[in-house]
Amino acid sequence: KQEVTQIPAALSVPEGENLVLNCSFTDSAIYNLQWFRQDPGKGLTSLLLIQSSQREQTSGRLNASLDKSSGRSTLYIAASQPGDSATYLCAGNRLAFGKGNQVVVIP
Amino acid sequence: SQTIHQWPATLVQPVGSPLSLECTVEGTSNPNLYWYRQAAGRGLQLLFYSVGIGQISSEVPQNLSASRPQDRQFILSSKKLLLSDSGFYLCAWTEYRGTQYFGPGTRLTVL
Repeated sequence: KQEVTQIPAALSVPEGENLVLNCSFTDSAIYNLQWFRQDPGKGLTSLLLIQSSQREQTSGRLNASLDKSSGRSTLYIAASQPGDSATYLCAGNRLAFGKGNQVVVIP
Repeated sequence: SQTIHQWPATLVQPVGSPLSLECTVEGTSNPNLYWYRQAAGRGLQLLFYSVGIGQISSEVPQNLSASRPQDRQFILSSKKLLLSDSGFYLCAWTEYRGTQYFGPGTRLTVL
């Protein structure tokens, strides 16, 4: 069964700093990995989907990488803004979710 | 474009009462459909998923059930709610091995 771990569970950074969020998974036979954002009391918004044949995906200030051999994915958010404050979740095979990285960007 | 609807948005129910949450998807055909629960301070728990009409797979044994009477309709039900059923219920859909999209969620409080 796929297990997903996200580290750190919570972090606060000053505005303008780069954010690095880590996701590790136990099943290397992964066919895709997805990163989501969740605002308090809201549903999940898809940010990036990386297929197993890809190494990374980029969208604006967001970049996500996938290393199947080590069972890791990293979400990188450049030049963080207060609006980036949210919980970020990753999901792997069978849509097993991590518990999320709770991010606060301090103005 | 595809849209996913969930209702109601919030619900307060007494212990032992029945439950019916509905989810519908627009703009796609034959989606894979999912029900998740997110309890306070915990991660997302996959409850049910469906790859077609009448095809339901349960991930976690509990007093909840799901049905898919139409291609783009997914219903979560319970005959008798427990206190532990409180949580945030999310419906989602995917195309095969594609991006997963979530609905706005239903906040259920069982008293």
